[in-house]
Amino acid sequence: SAVISQKPSRDICQRGTSLTIQCQVDSQVTMMFWYRQQPGQSLTLIATANQGSEATYESGFVIDKFPISRPNLTFSTLTVSNMSPEDSSIYLCSVGEKNTEAFFGQGTRLTVV
Amino acid sequence: QKEVEQNSGPLSVPEGAIASLNCTYSDRVSQSFFWYRQYSGKSPELIMSIYSNGDKEDGRFTAQLNKASQYVSLLIRDSQPSDSATYLCAAYNAGNNRKLIWGLGTSLAVNP
Repeated sequence: SAVISQKPSRDICQRGTSLTIQCQVDSQVTMMFWYRQQPGQSLTLIATANQGSEATYESGFVIDKFPISRPNLTFSTLTVSNMSPEDSSIYLCSVGEKNTEAFFGQGTRLTVV
Repeated sequence: QKEVEQNSGPLSVPEGAIASLNCTYSDRVSQSFFWYRQYSGKSPELIMSIYSNGDKEDGRFTAQLNKASQYVSLLIRDSQPSDSATYLCAAYNAGNNRKLIWGLGTSLAVNP
């Protein structure tokens, strides 16, 4: 399985600011995903990061709030913009191929104060 | 019916017992299923995948898929306190094999 490095592992941010989370994979992967997991909840898919084109966002998530970049097949970033306390959550990068197992980075624990 | 459903638990078993975790699914998911373990504060890690009807064993873990009854189970034999975690069931959306559908997870506590 791919080795996925996600950073930062945690951060405490002021409301109104933005945080960019990075996800680096040690091999080329077709699909990269960004999830959010709120305390005690399951995983919610934010978007699929597409190499060379705009990300595909799930219902309830918009590009202005969660801009995503994917410049190549091994790297992606997720920005959480204009943060509010409601954005406090764990953000997870995931990689996988169609119809097969998904693997996760270590996660970013974000607290907005 | 939700696409993937799990009993949230908590499921409590004594050390050494068999823990049985269940997941039911609807026609809106495909026939590829995955069990993940998630420790508190950590990211999910893959335990088992199962694609065909029947049992699949890996060490103390056995995944069981029953397509007729639309359920998939995870059995943990000789449960250890270190197995205490949340177990997530996932399957691909039948119309989009790039998108995983996640259950809410079952919390397992193994008591020494």
